[in-house]
Amino acid sequence: GDSVTQMEGPVTLSEEAFLTINCTYTATGYPSLFWYVQYPGEGLQLLLKATKADDKGSNKGFEATYRKETTSFHLEKGSVQVSDSAVYFCAFTGANSKLTFGKGITLSVRP
Amino acid sequence: DTAVSQTPKYLVTQMGNDKSIKCEQNLGHDTMYWYKQDSKKFLKIMFSYNNKELIINETVPNRFSPKSPDKAHLNLHINSLELGDSAVYFCASSQGPGGSGTGELFFGEGSRLTVL
Repeated sequence: GDSVTQMEGPVTLSEEAFLTINCTYTATGYPSLFWYVQYPGEGLQLLLKATKADDKGSNKGFEATYRKETTSFHLEKGSVQVSDSAVYFCAFTGANSKLTFGKGITLSVRP
Repeated sequence: DTAVSQTPKYLVTQMGNDKSIKCEQNLGHDTMYWYKQDSKKFLKIMFSYNNKELIINETVPNRFSPKSPDKAHLNLHINSLELGDSAVYFCASSQGPGGSGTGELFFGEGSRLTVL
């Protein structure tokens, strides 16, 4: 069935380090792909999205490219900040329009 | 002005009790959801309503009953609470089902339920 797999966490980085969070999906058809972020004590909010192959979503210095050939949507940021500490969820909508989330990964950034 | 608001934010109760969580959205959206987030941050959809009609009903014990009196409100009632019901419950809304291709769901701040 449709699913999304994220790399295991948690991840701890020093400020200004490079970040990559892996995400791969299994879906029929051509899903839209998303990254959501959950800051401490808050609900989730959409970080970025890509709706077709080779699209790149970007926001707040984060980027992710829709790679159909590898069914991946890895999240990257060149230089993380303490304020990026949060839980990150990869997600997609499939043919049934249901939004399916990955397990989430906790990122902690040290000063 | 909060877009998706849930009450209460915290709820501590004894096993066997019945409790409700309320949700309201002022975004004019047609679709609303309840999600459960466990202690490991795993997020699981429970229910979804579109224009007051139930469209997603995942494998959830029938002690959980959603009610949508109008498309701006979606409440969750839980009977006979169990220890395993302890979690954070999130309400969300979107323009259409699954965000209708935009995938953008707007979440409330969550309601932390602790069952003792």
